[in-house]
Formats: sequence, structure tokens, C-alpha cells
Amino acid sequence: GAVVSQHPSWVICKSGTSVKIECRSLDFQATTMFWYRQFPKQSLMLMATSNEGSKATYEQGVEKDKFLINHASLTLSTLTVTSAHPEDSSFYICSAPGTGKVGEQFFGPGTRLTVL
Amino acid sequence: DAKTTQPPSMDCAEGRAANLPCNHSTISGNEYVYWYRQIHSQGPQYIIHGLKNNETNEMASLIITEDRKSSTLILPHATLRDTAVYYCIVSKGSSNTGKLIFGQGTTLQVKP
Repeated sequence: GAVVSQHPSWVICKSGTSVKIECRSLDFQATTMFWYRQFPKQSLMLMATSNEGSKATYEQGVEKDKFLINHASLTLSTLTVTSAHPEDSSFYICSAPGTGKVGEQFFGPGTRLTVL
Repeated sequence: DAKTTQPPSMDCAEGRAANLPCNHSTISGNEYVYWYRQIHSQGPQYIIHGLKNNETNEMASLIITEDRKSSTLILPHATLRDTAVYYCIVSKGSSNTGKLIFGQGTTLQVKP
């Protein structure tokens, strides 16, 4: 099946700094990717839809100026958490639709962000 | 997208069939039923999906009621590696770009 990678797999940063997370589709192209956030013992929450060559679409309640998304190529989307604070500590997961089964999505392994 | 209701947790003995129910009484005619699972600290994994008919693949079977208001995911011979959170999601699957809205899922614990 298709593979989606994320980098880094985990990151620790100081409060006030910015962190960039990369999501890559390794063996297929994705004009759309999705970003999720997951707090401990909770479900995945969709943050935004990343669109190649255009602006991302953010879900209600997600600050677009805080969570910057760039989808510059058909295989790479990046999520930048700006001015991170401890409450931004979470598990960030991206996904990309495949080209086979209708509606099937392939998820990355996730990035664990800890803000001190 | 229609909401789904799943039991928060279930246990299953290793080697036995695991039957995970899902209610989606407000599903509309063009919405598919998808099942994903998430093993601890990993990204979710696609299992199976269906529209009206029952479906089977190498991982599981999906049984959808005739009125489409509920479905059951069946893992025929559960193993310890099937311990995970299982999510039932209803979504318009008319294109491959439909977003998935996750509910709370069912935590399946497979016991030896």
C-alpha cells in the first residue's frame, strides 16, 4: 500500500519557539492532505485540509495564524506550529487519500510534540 | 457527515471472532461506512469500507444492515496484535479527497 511519512517523529521545544512538521507521500502524489491532532486518551481531531498550490482550509476553532500549513508540492505538506506553548503539546498526524479504493486514506506515523 | 455511536470498549479472547458494532442511524444515501484502527501511538490504518453490501477482505468483514443504520466489523480470528482502537466513520466517498471525522471509537482488548 501507499506510504506516508512524517518528520520528525518526536520533537521537544521551548515555549515561544516555532516547530515545523513535514508530511510526505512516498510513492504517490497527493493534491490533498489532512492534518489531525490527538491529545492523550482522546480521538483524532481534524485540524485542516492542505491543498497543493492553494490555501489550506481550517476546521472551525483552529487558528490559521498559529498552525501554518504549506503544500508546495504533490508529495509534501508542512505544518508549522508558531509560538508554541505547552498546551500545543500533542500528537500530530497527517493523512493523504490514496488513488485506489474510494475514500481510503493513508496515515503517517505521527509526530509527538512536547513544548516545555 | 453522519455521526456514529460505538461502545467505548470490548474484550475478546485470542483466536475468537471479534464483533464490533456501530450505529449510524442518520447516514445518508451517498455516505460510505469506513473502519479504521489505531494501534497505540501510531497513525490509523484503513481496514475496510462499504456502501450497501457486505464486504470482506484479508483483514475483516463488514456487515451492513439493510436499512444501513448500523454495521458490524468482524475480525474472524482475533490475535493479540489486533488490540487497538477501532473507529467507525461515515463519510461521503464520492471522491478520494473526502475528509474523515473521527469519533471516540471502540478500544478492543484481545486477551490470551
